[in-house]
Amino acid sequence: SQQGEEDPQALSIQEGENATMNCSYKTSINNLQWYRQNSGRGLVHLILIRSNEREKHSGRLRVTLDTSKKSSSLLITASRAADTASYFCATRGSSNTGKLIFGQGTTLQVKP
Amino acid sequence: GAGVSQSPSNKVTEKGKDVELRCDPISGHTALYWYRQSLGQGLEFLIYFQGNSAPDKSGLPSDRFSAERTGGSVSTLTIQRTQQEDSAVYLCASSSQTRNEQYFGPGTRLTVT
Repeated sequence: SQQGEEDPQALSIQEGENATMNCSYKTSINNLQWYRQNSGRGLVHLILIRSNEREKHSGRLRVTLDTSKKSSSLLITASRAADTASYFCATRGSSNTGKLIFGQGTTLQVKP
Repeated sequence: GAGVSQSPSNKVTEKGKDVELRCDPISGHTALYWYRQSLGQGLEFLIYFQGNSAPDKSGLPSDRFSAERTGGSVSTLTIQRTQQEDSAVYLCASSSQTRNEQYFGPGTRLTVT
């Protein structure tokens, strides 16, 4: 079963704007990861935030984690048409397993 | 270096037939995962192999599904007596023992007619 939900399910913005996607989860986690998927095939890892971290940056990506609310957000700044893809959050429940539980994903369209 | 590869990329089969999907992980990666993604949905965990430990099969939807990992490398996911609801993209991923991020293959799109 899925860990949680992401919102919005779909997001359409203009190039240059910022895109924010949210993820909620249900159980305690070891870490939370964001992945990107183009054209419904393989996923690419974007960024990982550990349960004891609150914010992390990687290039134009900024991830926050609020374990008290069991939620995370992914911000993509200065979006580009090439950022058009589906974005998934995934949680790792404990350090004893590498199994990831994925959210339903947000489909982002960046219009040139 | 080479990434995770999967074969076939597409498979069309008749209901009731058995299918085998193959995954070649990144060399040296000790962990291997299978996920399933139905149309427009997120990924559903199926099974996880870590080194020589017993696999975590908790995500397999029925006893028609099984997977093996031979020699700690290549893995085969087998679906027996396929049903139409088995139609999905089956994704394989691998990771090193000490890293958390998973590297995904391109997937096998299975269509059961």
